[in-house]
Amino acid sequence: GQNIDQPTEMTATEGAIVQINCTYQTSGFNGLFWYQQHAGEAPTFLSYNVLDGLEEKGRFSSFLSRSKGYSYLLLKELQMKDSASYLCAVRDRGNTDKLIFGTGTRLQVFP
Amino acid sequence: GAVVSQHPSRVICKSGTSVKIECRSLDFQATTMFWYRQFPKKSLMLMATSNEGSKATYEQGVEKDKFLINHASLTLSTLTVTSAHPEDSSFYICSAISGRTPNEQFFGPGTRLTVL
Repeated sequence: GQNIDQPTEMTATEGAIVQINCTYQTSGFNGLFWYQQHAGEAPTFLSYNVLDGLEEKGRFSSFLSRSKGYSYLLLKELQMKDSASYLCAVRDRGNTDKLIFGTGTRLQVFP
Repeated sequence: GAVVSQHPSRVICKSGTSVKIECRSLDFQATTMFWYRQFPKKSLMLMATSNEGSKATYEQGVEKDKFLINHASLTLSTLTVTSAHPEDSSFYICSAISGRTPNEQFFGPGTRLTVL
């Protein structure tokens, strides 16, 4: 079956660094995505990993280990506006391009 | 960046009626569109994959006669919730893939459906 796990909730302080983990067990793998979603809004794309290693994009970085079925999203210099849900999604292998979403992690940033 | 719109943004209807939700790619042609539903404080659940000119592929457990999907053109897909019931109340989100950037799904702003 398909299983993608993330912590349900996390809290952090403004200016700090936070790491959100994602573990997955899927029948196929063709890339892992991270999305940010504010309440009542659509998800917005943050990062994409298909090969092992770290992808850095400004304050956000994402890491992937395919052998371990593991990824993390690293947020640096946290700002209040980073309070949101963070969704890990795995793209299924094949030509469907469909994404299987994890449970999502609600991050609350405090001053 | 690519823009996807949804209409309506909110709809309230009586039990037993049907509701149509539109998903449009505004500045690109979408080879594939997806429909998701999301319950409060939960993640997105894929309902179906829609390709222009062909029948939608539904995920296991999603009733195709209940959730009718029509992908009439490369910029428009519609989801019709037929004979809606209160348990169909949810946040419905569509996404689209452009042939030029196949690694990214562009999400619409979502439609909040409330069935009384």
